[in-house]
Amino acid sequence: AQTVTQSQPEMSVQEAETVTLSCTYDTSESNYYLFWYKQPPSRQMILVIRQEAYKQQNATENRFSVNFQKAAKSFSLKISDSQLGDTAMYFCAFTTLETSGSRLTFGEGTQLTVNP
Amino acid sequence: KAGVTQTPRYLIKTRGQQVTLSCSPISGHRSVSWYQQTPGQGLQFLFEYFSETQRNKGNFPGRFSGRQFSNSRSEMNVSTLELGDSALYLCASSILSGGFSEQYFGPGTRLTVT
Repeated sequence: AQTVTQSQPEMSVQEAETVTLSCTYDTSESNYYLFWYKQPPSRQMILVIRQEAYKQQNATENRFSVNFQKAAKSFSLKISDSQLGDTAMYFCAFTTLETSGSRLTFGEGTQLTVNP
Repeated sequence: KAGVTQTPRYLIKTRGQQVTLSCSPISGHRSVSWYQQTPGQGLQFLFEYFSETQRNKGNFPGRFSGRQFSNSRSEMNVSTLELGDSALYLCASSILSGGFSEQYFGPGTRLTVT
């Protein structure tokens, strides 16, 4: 079975500081894609960053970057210079190349609160 | 370009009734996926439609069904509603099906079953 685990149900950080959200996954397949989604109080899911498993270089999108450790099956999200608007639920997700279609498997989520 | 739209946004139904939710994808997107989000089970994949064909199905009972029309709009239907069907139902669209094709989510339909 393919699973995603986010071990931190809640986290908080001060504005302008850096925070790292953890995610581990389990799959027996070799080709897959990893994602971090953000769901603010509006409930609109927004893609934050994505990573192709075959790429060794970690993805970066402005203040968001990932630490992808394929052997450890770990995919953490680092948010630098945290802003109040980053307050949201963050979901780690993945899909495999062998999966027929666009099925995403999500973790349980981490509620991040950025404090002023 | 307009985003993914879902109607209705809120719905209250009684146990035993049936309900139909609608999702209009971004123009040009041919894949529509549906997810159920609950506090207890989290986000779970229901099914995906691509070019009017169901490509993938999650582990949900047969009461949950869907379809896609030639304009890529999709509907999902839940028959014989149960209290446990209360959830936020999200749909997501993408240009292609599978892999790295980015999925864009709609705002969701909040279904409450009483």
